Amino acid sequence: QKEVEQNSGPLSVPEGAIASLNCTYSDRGSQSFFWYRQYSGKSPELIMFIYSNGDKEDGRFTAQLNKASQYVSLLIRDSQPSDSATYLCAVNFQMGGNEKLTFGTGTRLTIIP
Amino acid sequence: GAVVSQHPSRVICKSGTSVKIECRSLDFQATTMFWYRQFPKQSLMLMATSNEGSKATYEQGVEKDKFLINHASLTLSTLTVTSAHPEDSSFYICSATSGLAGAPRETQYFGPGTRLLVL
Repeated sequence: QKEVEQNSGPLSVPEGAIASLNCTYSDRGSQSFFWYRQYSGKSPELIMFIYSNGDKEDGRFTAQLNKASQYVSLLIRDSQPSDSATYLCAVNFQMGGNEKLTFGTGTRLTIIP
Repeated sequence: GAVVSQHPSRVICKSGTSVKIECRSLDFQATTMFWYRQFPKQSLMLMATSNEGSKATYEQGVEKDKFLINHASLTLSTLTVTSAHPEDSSFYICSATSGLAGAPRETQYFGPGTRLLVL
């Protein structure tokens, strides 16, 4: 069973602080990793992807990947109230040509003004 | 780039009727489209995967005769909920992979979703 695990939260972070979201996955052979943001009542939107060990930065967002530990994280610097949402971690477990993503259950983040 | 639309955004229907939801990739050709369902405060649940011109692959526990998927072109997939019942009320979301340069081939771009209420 391919699994992606996230702490469901809620995670509360003061405005301006760094929010750290974590995700672990079960399949050591996984190749690509994604972070999506989902506002309440809306569909997920892609924040960023990562497939190499280390850090990848995009504006206030940094994704960190450690394949040896099967761990991927998302850091949000200078958190804003508009960052309050559920963050979904997704992992590609390549299966028979249809490259599905397996999603975690999401971490609900609340930024406190 | 990579914009996905869904229509309708919201639908209310009577129990026993069928509802069709369209998913379109507006600025790219979608190699694969996915259909998800999400109940309030729950996680995404993958229902099926579809490729243009092929039969959809349904996830375990999803009734293929109830949730009919047609992927007639590289830009359009439809989900028909047949003989809908109140327990089918949910948020239905499609996604598509584009194979766009600069992103992994399996990157999924989501439509805005369709909220179905069956009375």
